[in-house]
Amino acid sequence: TQLLEQSPQFLSIQEGENLTVYCNSSSVFSSLQWYRQEPGEGPVLLVTVVTGGEVKKLKRLTFQFGDARKDSSLHITAAQPGDTGLYLCAGAGSQAGTALIFGKGTTLSVSS
Amino acid sequence: DSGVTQTPKHLITATGQRVTLRCSPRSGDLSVYWYQQSLDQGLQFLIQYYNGEERAKGNILERFSAQQFPDLHSELNLSSLELGDSALYFCASSVVSMRGPTEAFFGQGTRLTVV
Repeated sequence: TQLLEQSPQFLSIQEGENLTVYCNSSSVFSSLQWYRQEPGEGPVLLVTVVTGGEVKKLKRLTFQFGDARKDSSLHITAAQPGDTGLYLCAGAGSQAGTALIFGKGTTLSVSS
Repeated sequence: DSGVTQTPKHLITATGQRVTLRCSPRSGDLSVYWYQQSLDQGLQFLIQYYNGEERAKGNILERFSAQQFPDLHSELNLSSLELGDSALYFCASSVVSMRGPTEAFFGQGTRLTVV
């Protein structure tokens, strides 16, 4: 069974601070995705990383895939209240049709 | 709007009852996934269908079943409901490539409350 562990589980910071959340597994994934979920809504994809060591930037968000394709991190620079939400990582297996397996998520709260 | 439609949005029912949740995937997506989300367990994969056939099973209870119809919409049936089945149930759809699933588009979910 492929499991993804996210840390920290909760994070409460002030506007303007930087933060990093982690997603770790003992399994290798063909790709890893990060989603953001707001209350009452379904998760929405932020990014997909595919290649070991890959770094992707989305405005103030930086995503990194580990060299061994077992872990990933999400770094947010100068957090804003609009970044508040549940951040989920999801791993995809290497076979066609394999479902996405999600971590339990990091709940981020950014106060002004 | 993700393009994935789930109905109903809210459902309140008594223990022991049976309910059906419905999902219409995005146009062109052949794969449908069902997930259960609770506060303590996070987003748990239940089952996946691809073009009408079951493709993968996760932590789905025997009291739960699903199917995908020729028009690609899917239904999740929950029977003999227990208080612990109260949760958000999400449907997602995606295009599945030979390398595995691509982006999953989620519906807004059905909030099931068992009383």
